[in-house]
Amino acid sequence: DTAVSQTPKYLVTQMGNDKSIKCEQNLGHDTMYWYKQDSKKFLKIMFSYNNKELIINETVPNRFSPKSPDKAHLNLHINSLELGDSAVYFCASSQPQGARTEAFFGQGTRLTVV
Amino acid sequence: AQSVTQLGSHVSVSEGALVLLRCNYSSSVPPYLFWYVQYPNQGLQLLLKYTSAATLVKGINGFEAEFKKSETSFHLTKPSAHMSDAAEYFCAVSERGYKLSFGAGTTVTVRA
Repeated sequence: DTAVSQTPKYLVTQMGNDKSIKCEQNLGHDTMYWYKQDSKKFLKIMFSYNNKELIINETVPNRFSPKSPDKAHLNLHINSLELGDSAVYFCASSQPQGARTEAFFGQGTRLTVV
Repeated sequence: AQSVTQLGSHVSVSEGALVLLRCNYSSSVPPYLFWYVQYPNQGLQLLLKYTSAATLVKGINGFEAEFKKSETSFHLTKPSAHMSDAAEYFCAVSERGYKLSFGAGTTVTVRA
């Protein structure tokens, strides 16, 4: 049974479109994240939610809007997609105990904007 | 802010040889450090983590890492490389439990 699952795994879309990526975790964690991995494999945090509350927003364009309907779900909606949004987006979750807890990652969503 | 630097973007080893991946951290407080592995087209999987309990940390798949405060390092090693070790490896540091900051990654290739 998958711990952190994302859908879809692949997403190809045209510039200007709006798309959503869904994430669900069944680990009972309080905290969920979205990370972006660019073409050079660099991983950067975008958002972090704890108990449905936004706690980290790392200067991400406001075309990106996360939504957490409950602790187990964190979706990412992207408006007016641009070529530069092409990347792999990873959802993750953790149960913070100070700073010592690891994050569990989904399989990623490869977004290609054409 | 805490950060990590991975030295060497690419490491090539022969099967059966030592794997050594270097990671240095920058932190004003005792850090919590992690190594993750990413296989092609996969998500990230935790290899091991340092949480100040012991300086030598053993992880999965025969990997281990040693925390050296004097060198601000947390290098990852495996005595004998296997073909299945070919992957991308990331060092990371945790901030306040809500944010993992990753290094740039090291690609490991294993030669037969």
